[in-house]
Amino acid sequence: RKEVEQDPGPFNVPEGATVAFNCTYSNSASQSFFWYRQDCRKEPKLLMSVYSSGNEDGRFTAQLNRASQYISLLIRDSKLSDSATYLCVGYTGTASKLTFGTGTRLQVTL
Amino acid sequence: EAQVTQNPRYLITVTGKKLTVTCSQNMNHEYMSWYRQDPGLGLRQIYYSMNVEVTDKGDVPEGYKVSRKEKRNFPLILESPSPNQTSLYFCASRMGGRNTGELFFGEGSRLTVL
Repeated sequence: RKEVEQDPGPFNVPEGATVAFNCTYSNSASQSFFWYRQDCRKEPKLLMSVYSSGNEDGRFTAQLNRASQYISLLIRDSKLSDSATYLCVGYTGTASKLTFGTGTRLQVTL
Repeated sequence: EAQVTQNPRYLITVTGKKLTVTCSQNMNHEYMSWYRQDPGLGLRQIYYSMNVEVTDKGDVPEGYKVSRKEKRNFPLILESPSPNQTSLYFCASRMGGRNTGELFFGEGSRLTVL
């Protein structure tokens, strides 16, 4: 079982829609989580950090459920420019290690 | 401008011909790392370095070497490349100490081994 698992998608949604991605993790020692965004053939870039129960930044909301070991990312009012792959990342402090999920692809259409 | 610079960005080579992918960062970061990204497998860590002269294996170190003689540079060496090392490679860096999670990535190096 992969340490961080994501539905690869693609999620095809119309502009203006609300879309949510889930990510599950197996290592209960993971302390914090992050969402990265990766455009096609580009480098990943940090989108949001999730240290406690959740985080909100404009149209983006990330939530962490430690009991069920999953993290979610909610995007409201989707824009065409949100089309990208979203990577879920877990951090384990004891190993100082970041573990990446394989990513969920989002395609926002007119 | 704060950045991580990798070279070359694109390379086609043949089996067995040694090559080095350079990585340099100008943010004075202690931590640097190399990843490879393959379809369906995501980003996998090859090697990382917590500071100068301190390197350690990641999840997929076989066939690779690294060195960290200076803080800013972290080259990735393929002594005898093989076709299964065809991949997209990313170098990344971050501050040391408590992890903020913000890795700064280079633009990637697409390597093809024939």
